[in-house]
Amino acid sequence: DAGVIQSPRHEVTEMGQEVTLRCKPISGHDYLFWYRQTMMRGLELLIYFNNNVPIDDSGMPEDRFSAKMPNASFSTLKIQPSEPRDSAVYFCASSSAGQTQYFGPGTRLLVL
Amino acid sequence: EDKVVQSPLSLVVHEGDTVTLNCSYEVTNFRSLLWYKQEKKAPTFLFMLTSSGIEKKSGRLSSILDKKELFSILNITATQTGDSAVYLCAVGEIQGAQKLVFGQGTRLTINP
Repeated sequence: DAGVIQSPRHEVTEMGQEVTLRCKPISGHDYLFWYRQTMMRGLELLIYFNNNVPIDDSGMPEDRFSAKMPNASFSTLKIQPSEPRDSAVYFCASSSAGQTQYFGPGTRLLVL
Repeated sequence: EDKVVQSPLSLVVHEGDTVTLNCSYEVTNFRSLLWYKQEKKAPTFLFMLTSSGIEKKSGRLSSILDKKELFSILNITATQTGDSAVYLCAVGEIQGAQKLVFGQGTRLTINP
């Protein structure tokens, strides 16, 4: 099994630009989670999906952030416009109902 | 508000020592407690605990949950330099899903 796949692994962009992060969950998993990790705030859940439907987006910091899951094997997290305070590592994770979450390698985002 | 608190935040020991990491929680609708190890990349799963008093073991690592006192411990015996990492505790709180609330982590450093 390839595990959770994320791209890009690193992203450097300028303030105001649009950023799109991508995730392919483990095949057969019906839950997908987006997290953000920073030194100050630790690991925070942004949003999660069940069967491609967003269930809880209460962790999305503001309207600049949006996430979609058009099918069972693909999800995106978009930031538009990006700001320096969005700099963080963004993780995608997936799981089956009631089971352990498996994390992808993360995308390290730097907004200048 | 749901809360997961880990202690200590940082720990430095010598190779061969035994360490105990602590995790306490205040979470409604508790379902499970998970331990993850995070080196330089993504968190990797160690244990899932759902029942009090039942120890989970994997090699030199073991963990136990106390649902009455709302805490868990992670023990590592005969530590090795490869055990150096951030250890994350997370609590799953929603029945039928795995929305996790993470603690801030314990940074463990094993010196040779």
